Amino acid sequence: QQQVKQSPQSLIVQKGGIPIINCAYENTAFDYFPWYQQFPGKGPALLIAIRPDVSEKKEGRFTISFNKSAKQFSLHIMDSQPGDSATYFCAASGRGSTLGRLYFGRGTQLTVWP
Amino acid sequence: DVKVTQSSRYLVKRTGEKVFLECVQDMDHENMFWYRQDPGLGLRLIYFSYDVKMKEKGDIPEGYSVSREKKERFSLILESASTNQTSMYLCASSPRTGHQPQHFGDGTRLSIL
Repeated sequence: QQQVKQSPQSLIVQKGGIPIINCAYENTAFDYFPWYQQFPGKGPALLIAIRPDVSEKKEGRFTISFNKSAKQFSLHIMDSQPGDSATYFCAASGRGSTLGRLYFGRGTQLTVWP
Repeated sequence: DVKVTQSSRYLVKRTGEKVFLECVQDMDHENMFWYRQDPGLGLRLIYFSYDVKMKEKGDIPEGYSVSREKKERFSLILESASTNQTSMYLCASSPRTGHQPQHFGDGTRLSIL
């Protein structure tokens, strides 16, 4: 059973648009929600992360919105650029025995047209 | 900067061969992970290790084993390679304490013929 569900699978926007990627989870023990960005030929790299004690976190043009009651979180990319074209993965992690294990969504392939 | 190095970028093997994928990290991280990445399926965890000689099964361990004899090195072993193991394999490492980012290598694209 997939622990983190991500949508959409692919997304195409024009330069300057605001792509939104959504994720949902069921496990209430999750308390850390990172997003990873992957360019072709490279491994994923941490982009931004949030904990459930805040509803929003912003770093540059990237914003995570978090809805604890709905068990959903989303990534917004403001003023998107062709260089943002990549695959984005949401993930979740919990306390205790998981020992740093991340549960990943299936990924969203974002294309930003110039 | 943390560096996770995977020994091969591309590898072609034959069905039935025993295949070794090697991963080395240089940041003294306790945790190490092996994932496979397939289109539409995202990153699926095969095995992980939180200490030398320790290992835990991930979501898809069947057909794979791992070895961690030294802290910096984590090996993935395909005991008898099959065509359905053709995939991109990614290694990652992270510190054990708290919520820390996983640092990934650039992957090994493995083809089993």
